[in-house]
Amino acid sequence: QKEVEQNSGPLSVPEGAIASLNCTYSDRGSQSFFWYRQYSGKSPELIMFIYSNGDKEDGRFTAQLNKASQYVSLLIRDSQPSDSATYLCAVRDRDDKIIFGKGTRLHILP
Amino acid sequence: EAQVTQNPRYLITVTGKKLTVTCSQNMNHEYMSWYRQDPGLGLRQIYYSMNVEVTDKGDVPEGYKVSRKEKRNFPLILESPSPNQTSLYFCASSYDRDWSYNSPLHFGNGTRLTVT
Repeated sequence: QKEVEQNSGPLSVPEGAIASLNCTYSDRGSQSFFWYRQYSGKSPELIMFIYSNGDKEDGRFTAQLNKASQYVSLLIRDSQPSDSATYLCAVRDRDDKIIFGKGTRLHILP
Repeated sequence: EAQVTQNPRYLITVTGKKLTVTCSQNMNHEYMSWYRQDPGLGLRQIYYSMNVEVTDKGDVPEGYKVSRKEKRNFPLILESPSPNQTSLYFCASSYDRDWSYNSPLHFGNGTRLTVT
């Protein structure tokens, strides 16, 4: 059974600090990796995707991928209260199936 | 506007009364999928479709049916709903015609279903 693991949280981070969200996956043949943000009762919205080892930056967000360690992370710089949400890691595996982690709840403390 | 449209947004029904949740996308996406989301269990895939007339079971298909007669529509059918199908349901679509590695899922706004 292919799995995507995330710490459920809640992860509490002071406003203005860096929030670091982590995700591990079991299928070494996984192809691409996504971070979605989901506010309570709302649909997930895509924040970042990454498919090559290393870092990818978009504004305050940085996705980091290490395929050897089967690890993907999301850094949020200058955290804002509006960043408080659940963050879902999603992985497209070798069979082109998208598998979601259960999400990490992030709480930004004003 | 490019979007995935689900209806209804909220639905309360009784055990055994057949219902359909509609899903339509206007992005000419090949791939469509249904998920249910429950507290502590995350998003679980019910069914997906890689193309018209092609559907496959996801992780939790029991009690559900789907059809894909046209590219844009992918309805979810509950023939005999039960209380354990009370959940938040999401339809999603993606452009995967060329097996693009970077094609994300676009989600609908969700349907909150309560079965009493």
